[in-house]
Amino acid sequence: EPEVTQTPSHQVTQMGQEVILRCVPISNHLYFYWYRQILGQKVEFLVSFYNNEISEKSEIFDDQFSVERPDGSNFTLKIRSTKLEDSAMYFCASSPTDGHNSPLHFGNGTRLTVT
Amino acid sequence: KNEVEQSPQNLTAQEGEFITINCSYSVGISALHWLQQHPGGGIVSLFMLSSGKKKHGRLIATINIQEKHSSLHITASHPRDSAVYICAVQASGSRLTFGEGTQLTVNP
Repeated sequence: EPEVTQTPSHQVTQMGQEVILRCVPISNHLYFYWYRQILGQKVEFLVSFYNNEISEKSEIFDDQFSVERPDGSNFTLKIRSTKLEDSAMYFCASSPTDGHNSPLHFGNGTRLTVT
Repeated sequence: KNEVEQSPQNLTAQEGEFITINCSYSVGISALHWLQQHPGGGIVSLFMLSSGKKKHGRLIATINIQEKHSSLHITASHPRDSAVYICAVQASGSRLTFGEGTQLTVNP
């Protein structure tokens, strides 16, 4: 069964550094998402992406964050200048529709640790 | 803003028991998702429903739109069912709003 893959599985970075989290969604899916989960807390929505543009974003997704689908297969989340509070598990997800008629498929996550 | 409440927060059961996890939400939705999160962190979608009832193997999910309530049932529970079960709701847009999750432990 096709799956969403995320790399790396664990990323350690210093405060102020830029990080790029990578995701390969399922190939025929059209909607892409990033979610994050701070340790011990619930999963939070960051951004959804459709037709090469952001379709919805949360209050968390400020100017420090950006997303890109550079080559038709990868979907990336960039954090420009990481802060300690960005430490979390970041999940990529994809779906063939906007989720109202089909479930989301999640990757296994990238654990980001900012020191 | 939709608030999603799950109960119980923690649940311990003996193998074979029937399990129910509840989810309530505050604002009208278009879809409700039940997800499973394993200790390693990965999230798997179990159900997506907007009305009625769905069944997959030993798992059953129901939703009552009028009461803004959904339940996830596990019949004949097994230790491999041990995981965090999460309810997430979707309103008109694409974002999911997640509950805190229910930690289920099934003992042999």
